[in-house]
Amino acid sequence: KQEVTQIPAALSVPEGENLVLNCSFTDSAIYNLQWFRQDPGKGLTSLLLIQSSQREQTSGRLNASLDKSSGRSTLYIAASQPGDSATYLCAVKRGGGYSTLTFGKGTMLLVSP
Amino acid sequence: NAGVTQTPKFQVLKTGQSMTLQCAQDMNHNSMYWYRQDPGMGLRLIYYSASEGTTDKGEVPNGYNVSRLNKREFSLRLESAAPSQTSVYFCAGWGGFDTDTQYFGPGTRLTVL
Repeated sequence: KQEVTQIPAALSVPEGENLVLNCSFTDSAIYNLQWFRQDPGKGLTSLLLIQSSQREQTSGRLNASLDKSSGRSTLYIAASQPGDSATYLCAVKRGGGYSTLTFGKGTMLLVSP
Repeated sequence: NAGVTQTPKFQVLKTGQSMTLQCAQDMNHNSMYWYRQDPGMGLRLIYYSASEGTTDKGEVPNGYNVSRLNKREFSLRLESAAPSQTSVYFCAGWGGFDTDTQYFGPGTRLTVL
């Protein structure tokens, strides 16, 4: 059974810092990996999706990497801002099509002004 | 487009009562999913529907039933609510676009007393 772990569970940083969130998964036979953002009381919004054949994806100040063989992914946030405060979840997809996602428990990020 | 919508936003039930959570989407998703999110447990899949007319159990299906009424609508029913079903419930959709991500609704916060 696939298990996804996110470290740390919570992180507090001052504005302007660069930071890294970690995600690990036990079964390397994945189709893709996604990073989601969840604001308090809201649903999930997809940030970045990395296919199993890719090594990284970038969107603005966000960069996600994937090392499938070691079962690890990182989300790098550059020059953090208070608006980045949210919970970040990673999820792995087992196969293509309608195949389901397995989620980590998330990292709660607080960026202080 | 409204995206994925859920009703109600909040609900309080007494133990033993029944209710149906509604989910609708206007994004032409082929597949739809129901998750629950609990503190310390992350997001867990309850049921999913790969396509109209099909439904399958996820990780935590006990105590729930689902109906894929048509391509747009996917409902989750609690026949006899229990305090252990106190949670935030999310509906999601997949497919109909060239991206591989799932799109989430805003959630229903359910409390069972």
